[in-house]
Amino acid sequence: QKEVEQDPGPLSVPEGAIVSLNCTYSNSAFQYFMWYRQYSRKGPELLMYTYSSGNKEDGRFTAQVDKSSKYISLFIRDSQPSDSATYLCAMSAGREYNFNKFYFGSGTKLNVKP
Amino acid sequence: DGGITQSPKYLFRKEGQNVTLSCEQNLNHDAMYWYRQDPGQGLRLIYYSQIVNDFQKGDIAEGYSVSREKKESFPLTVTSAQKNPTAFYLCASRLNPGLAGDNEQFFGPGTRLTVL
Repeated sequence: QKEVEQDPGPLSVPEGAIVSLNCTYSNSAFQYFMWYRQYSRKGPELLMYTYSSGNKEDGRFTAQVDKSSKYISLFIRDSQPSDSATYLCAMSAGREYNFNKFYFGSGTKLNVKP
Repeated sequence: DGGITQSPKYLFRKEGQNVTLSCEQNLNHDAMYWYRQDPGQGLRLIYYSQIVNDFQKGDIAEGYSVSREKKESFPLTVTSAQKNPTAFYLCASRLNPGLAGDNEQFFGPGTRLTVL
C-alpha cells in the first residue's frame, strides 16, 4: 500500500465549477500537509500549506485536513481555465520523525473547459 | 528575484555517459533536495542535504551522486550506473528543517533528461 493515494484523473469540469481534489494517507504521524500545482513541463508551485487538522482558505482555494479519517482535500471555487494543471498533495511527519522526507501523491490532472 | 534555478532545461545523454544537473538557490535556504518524477508516479527522493558539506541518500540514490560545497548550490550527477535515467528531475529547497513549523518546500523549474 502506498503511503499517499491520489486519484490520477483526469478530472474535466466546466469553467466556474467547484472542484474537489482529494488524497488519502496511511501514516498517522503525518502532521504537515501541502498542495502543489504543476503546469506541464514545469516545477510544482506551492499552493497551500496546513498543519494538523482544520481548514485553511486563500482566495478561491480551501485546504481541508481530516486527520481522524486520514483524508485531505483541496477545493477550488469558480474554477478558471488557468487552473488546468496537475495537482499534487504532499505530507510529512513531525520533527520526531524524519521530517526531511516528504510523501507525494501521484497527482490529479485537472482540465477546466471554457 | 529570489528563487531556485535549474539548468539545463533539456539534456540529452548517450548511454554510458555521466551528466551533471545544476541547481542554484538564492533564498538562503539551508536544506536542498533532488527528486525524480516519472509519468503517473509521485515525486521520489534521490538525495537531500540539510547543511553544507553534508548530504543523505533518499529512496532511490543508486546511480546518482551529489555534492554540497556551497549553501546555494546542490548539483546532481547521473552516472552510467543509473539503469533508467530518462525522467524529469526537480530540485527543491527549504529554509531550515530544524525550525518548528517550517515545512514548506519550494521547487525549481526542472530538468528533463533523455537518454538516447
